[in-house]
Amino acid sequence: DTEVTQTPKHLVMGMTNKKSLKCEQHMGHRAMYWYKQKAKKPPELMFVYSYEKLSINESVPSRFSPECPNSSLLNLHLHALQPEDSALYLCASSQTTGGSGQPQHFGDGTRLSIL
Amino acid sequence: AQSVAQPEDQVNVAEGNPLTVKCTYSVSGNPYLFWYVQYPNRGLQFLLKYITGDNLVKGSYGFEAEFNKSQTSFHLKKPSALVSDSALYFCAVRDNPTGGFKTIFGAGTRLFVKA
Repeated sequence: DTEVTQTPKHLVMGMTNKKSLKCEQHMGHRAMYWYKQKAKKPPELMFVYSYEKLSINESVPSRFSPECPNSSLLNLHLHALQPEDSALYLCASSQTTGGSGQPQHFGDGTRLSIL
Repeated sequence: AQSVAQPEDQVNVAEGNPLTVKCTYSVSGNPYLFWYVQYPNRGLQFLLKYITGDNLVKGSYGFEAEFNKSQTSFHLKKPSALVSDSALYFCAVRDNPTGGFKTIFGAGTRLFVKA
């Protein structure tokens, strides 16, 4: 069982819809991440939150809006997405962003399809 | 900048035979290296890491990896492959460990274990 929970598992939305992806962890981790993964490709980093503050935005289009309401929750708000945004969206957490090579713990992702 | 390369898109091995999945790295400073595995429709799972110390690192599910500084390699190995090991494997390096923000993933290697 994964320790990082993502909901929903699947999401189909139109280009004019607004939806949100949710991620939750209860391991006391203070760093949380959003990744985008296309089929058979490595994950691409989108955002990093450290102690509930946004520390990295990898030049992600503004139609993706992250939010970290508290240390256990991470949201990704979606609006006016494009068909090329269809992908698996992975959330991950680690103890902190620094330190001695802490591994990341990944959720099973939300598979997003844009019609 | 830190980077990792996985020269093989796919590795095929018979069940019971030893397996090797190759990874080479390019880093400035000391490398913080990781292996992750991804099963179909799942997130990435941490297998093992090298930070410092013994060049042979043991990880989950019977996997191990050998760090070779002179060859800048960090190959993943298992003495006896199982059909259930069939998955997508990612080598990764932590970029700027003292700042610690990003994990840089290799392109991935698909492992097929035939019964």
